Parts: sequence; C-alpha cells; structure tokens
Amino acid sequence: GQQVMQIPQYQHVQEGEDFTTYCNSSTTLSNIQWYKQRPGGHPVFLIQLVKSGEVKKQKRLTFQFGEAKKNSSLHITATQTTDVGTYFCAGRASGSARQLTFGSGTQLTVLP
Amino acid sequence: NAGVTQTPKFQVLKTGQSMTLQCAQDMNHNSMYWYRQDPGMGLRLIYYSASEGTTDKGEVPNGYNVSRLNKREFSLRLESAAPSQTSVYFCASTGYSSGRARETQYFGPGTRLLVL
Repeated sequence: GQQVMQIPQYQHVQEGEDFTTYCNSSTTLSNIQWYKQRPGGHPVFLIQLVKSGEVKKQKRLTFQFGEAKKNSSLHITATQTTDVGTYFCAGRASGSARQLTFGSGTQLTVLP
Repeated sequence: NAGVTQTPKFQVLKTGQSMTLQCAQDMNHNSMYWYRQDPGMGLRLIYYSASEGTTDKGEVPNGYNVSRLNKREFSLRLESAAPSQTSVYFCASTGYSSGRARETQYFGPGTRLLVL
C-alpha cells in the first residue's frame, strides 16, 4: 500500500532559526496536505498542494510540491515559540483513492 | 457551527470491555473518518465512510466496527478492548471548496482511551 515517509521525526531549534520538514511518498500523489497539531490538540489543516512543482506561502511558511508529485516540504523562516507542535503531511494517491495517508510527523520544539 | 464533536474525551476500560466512541459533524460533509494516533506513528486510518450508508476499512480495522448512523454521525465500536487499543482516537470529516478543487479534513478534539 501507499507509504508516506516524513523526516526528521524531531527537531529542536533556537527561536529565530529556520526549520524544514520533508515528506516522501512511495506513489504519485494527486494532492498533498499539511497539518499542524499543537501539544494535546488535534490536527489543523494548513494547506493543500495539487500541481506539480507548486509553491505556496503563508507568512513565514513555505510549502513545496515536487515535480514528480511524490515529495513535499514545509519550510518555516525565523521560527517563533508559537510554531511549536507536530507537523504532518498527508497524501492522497492518484486515481480514486478516498483516504489520505499521513506521514509520521515532525515534532518541532522552539527554544526561546 | 460546532464542527466535529467527539464523546467521550477520556475513557478507561478493562481488557474485554466494550465501548462506542461517538462522532458528529454539522458541516453537511459526506465523508467521515476514524483515525488512531500513537506516539511516533502519525495518524492511521481505521475506517472511513465516503457517504451515508457506506463504510470501508482503512489501514488498521481489526478489532473495530463502525456505523454511519446518518449523514451527521459516525460511531466507532470496540467490541472487546485490548491494551493494544490504547491510543488517541480522532474523528474527521472532509469538506470541499472551489468546486472540489480544494479539500480540507476537519478533526474532532479526540478521545483518549486507556485499556488496562
């Protein structure tokens, strides 16, 4: 079945440093979504990427979808303590797949 | 709009006991999902329902049953709980905008289940 690998599993950064998490799928995706989960909370949708090579920005967050639609990344510029949480990618396989496959997540700690 | 609601928030069970986790959404979504989340393993799909009256197995369905009671409600049942089912359970529903060009999964607050 489809697998979505995400690295790193953990990342500790000093406030103000940049952060990147990477996602790689075993199969071509029709779209990829990113979610953020605060400690003790539930996943919250951040963005969806659909097109090959797509790049989207949300303030300090930059999301990329690879040309082959099998990988993606999330980059945060100048992290803040409010960025703390676990970031998940979730891919939907091409075709009629109705479910998302989630990566294992990257837990971000921002040290003040 | 309450979004996606789940009950209970916390539950402790003994091995072999049964229970039903309730989920409801008020966004008129067709698709609903049950996930479990374990440390370091992300979210794994247990069952999903693409529309009222249909249910399908996900990645980890063993030991669970589901019922799509109506468009709003999707319940998850553990018939005979086992310690391996200790986890956080999330219900979700999928909404579409921009003519289905953009989909978003909305998650409930979760149920924390401990099986002793």
